[in-house]
Amino acid sequence: EDKVVQSPLSLVVHEGDTVTLNCSYEVTNFRSLLWYKQEKKAPTFLFMLTSSGIEKKSGRLSSILDKKELFSILNITATQTGDSAVYLCAVEAFAGGFKTIFGAGTRLFVKA
Amino acid sequence: GAVVSQHPSRVICKSGTSVKIECRSLDFQATTMFWYRQFPKQSLMLMATSNEGSKATYEQGVEKDKFLINHASLTLSTLTVTSAHPEDSSFYICSARRDTSYEQYFGPGTRLTVT
Repeated sequence: EDKVVQSPLSLVVHEGDTVTLNCSYEVTNFRSLLWYKQEKKAPTFLFMLTSSGIEKKSGRLSSILDKKELFSILNITATQTGDSAVYLCAVEAFAGGFKTIFGAGTRLFVKA
Repeated sequence: GAVVSQHPSRVICKSGTSVKIECRSLDFQATTMFWYRQFPKQSLMLMATSNEGSKATYEQGVEKDKFLINHASLTLSTLTVTSAHPEDSSFYICSARRDTSYEQYFGPGTRLTVT
């Protein structure tokens, strides 16, 4: 059965801290791994990763994929209170058509 | 950018009635649209995948006669919750993708409350 597992499930840090969120997966016919940030409404896209070892960066956020070990990490440096959100990892796989499997999410709370 | 809209953003209906939710891609043509459901403090659960002009593919456990999906054009998909019950109350989110080389863009979601 295809699955995506995120850890930790929740995390509380202070402003300025650096956090690492983990996502491991087991799917057949992997296509891509995506990270989303969800605040009060629908998720907003952060990164799409398809190749191993290539870091993607956007400001204080970065992410990398390891297709051999089947995991990805999302790093946030110098965290701010506005980073408080649920971070979702999703894997796209091909199973008679493309489907997306979401992890349970990591709930991050950044204290001022 | 790629913008996806949903309408309505919030709906309250009585048990036994039907509710239609629209999902539109505003500035691109979406070959594929996805419908998700999200319960409080849980992750997104894929309900169905729809390609324009063909029947939707439903995930296991999702009743296709209860959740009717129509993808009539490259910019519009609708989800109709038929004979809604209180347990159908949830946050319904659609996403759209231009083609298989692009990521999914999410709509803002529709909060359905069935009384």
